[in-house]
Amino acid sequence: DAKTTQPNSMESNEEEPVHLPCNHSTISGTDYIHWYRQLPSQGPEYVIHGLTSNVNNRMASLAIAEDRKSSTLILHRATLRDAAVYYCILSTNLMYSGGGADGLTFGKGTHLIIQP
Amino acid sequence: NAGVTQTPKFRILKIGQSMTLQCTQDMNHNYMYWYRQDPGMGLKLIYYSVGAGITDKGEVPNGYNVSRSTTEDFPLRLELAAPSQTSVYFCASRLQGVNTEAFFGQGTRLTVV
Repeated sequence: DAKTTQPNSMESNEEEPVHLPCNHSTISGTDYIHWYRQLPSQGPEYVIHGLTSNVNNRMASLAIAEDRKSSTLILHRATLRDAAVYYCILSTNLMYSGGGADGLTFGKGTHLIIQP
Repeated sequence: NAGVTQTPKFRILKIGQSMTLQCTQDMNHNYMYWYRQDPGMGLKLIYYSVGAGITDKGEVPNGYNVSRSTTEDFPLRLELAAPSQTSVYFCASRLQGVNTEAFFGQGTRLTVV
């Protein structure tokens, strides 16, 4: 299984940038790096994903290391509504029963705390 | 668009009872998933389906069953509820491919007493 390592928690101040790190040293060449976040009492929601190049969207930016063994999710200006658990996931082929399928394997994620 | 809809939102079951958690999506996604999330933990995959008529086990399938008779619906069945199945259950869907976005439902909070 391709796995990711994230800090358990991080704290930041409102309206400041936040950099959430993720290590994925066993990533394979075809694995996409996905980020999801889960607000309290809600289902996970998609944030961003990428393969090799840095990516930007309206929610965040994703910076991917040249060797692809790590990545960083960047929230440019955190708000209180960004307080959530952020999951870094490698979208890869599931092999639980040999059938295989594209899947998302969640770790524990990073609990992001935003201080007003 | 409704996206992924799960019912019920909350349920309390007695040990040994059975129930079906419903999940439906209106995005014509071929891939659907069931996850469970225990307090303070990440999501664990129970079952998944790559299309109508095709299902497969995930990481924690014991005590559950699924079916996929249509593209839209992917119900999860608990036959003999146990306290260890107390959890929040999430259904998700996406188009085939490692570079596609997954959409999640709002979850079903199940308590087995």
